[in-house]
Amino acid sequence: KNEVEQSPQNLTAQEGEFITINCSYSVGISALHWLQQHPGGGIVSLFMLSSGKKKHGRLIATINIQEKHSSLHITASHPRDSAVYICAVRPSGSRLTFGEGTQLTVNP
Amino acid sequence: SAVISQKPSRDICQRGTSLTIQCQVDSQVTMMFWYRQQPGQSLTLIATANQGSEATYESGFVIDKFPISRPNLTFSTLTVSNMSPEDSSIYLCSVGHGDYGYTFGSGTRLTVV
Repeated sequence: KNEVEQSPQNLTAQEGEFITINCSYSVGISALHWLQQHPGGGIVSLFMLSSGKKKHGRLIATINIQEKHSSLHITASHPRDSAVYICAVRPSGSRLTFGEGTQLTVNP
Repeated sequence: SAVISQKPSRDICQRGTSLTIQCQVDSQVTMMFWYRQQPGQSLTLIATANQGSEATYESGFVIDKFPISRPNLTFSTLTVSNMSPEDSSIYLCSVGHGDYGYTFGSGTRLTVV
């Protein structure tokens, strides 16, 4: 079993829909990261969370430390949001461990 | 946060040859990380590169196959040596910012034929 599990693996939405991607992890962590990977391979860091909730534009990330669960929400989705979204956790004093990613496609 | 320039962005190489990937950071950083992402897989850490010392390799990765240089605090290279089709992957460098997260390079998409 992977230390980081993401769901769904693939997600197709219509423009304007509200999107949720989930991440569950099995180890104690110092921080959780949400990353966005574009088709060319480059990765952009969206959020780093250790508790609560963060918002940036149309993106919202939440984390529940007790339940070892995080969600990434996209409001009013747009085709330019199409990418792979990756959850990564950092156990205390250790390296980043990555989920396998969620491929999001937003159709116009 | 730092800005990383990674190149090349993609390459197609013949088996048995080597490719060197470069990452240039716009600020001084202590540790740089090199990752491999095989098709359809998540990222796997190859090694951590510290300036002035040998890189620390993860299990399954060896220096002869993936030599790393770190001549100063803003630059590092990863070489993929004696390539085979199994080395076809995206390779990424990254730097950490302590409590402020990570910055990743734009990736090198390598195809070995």
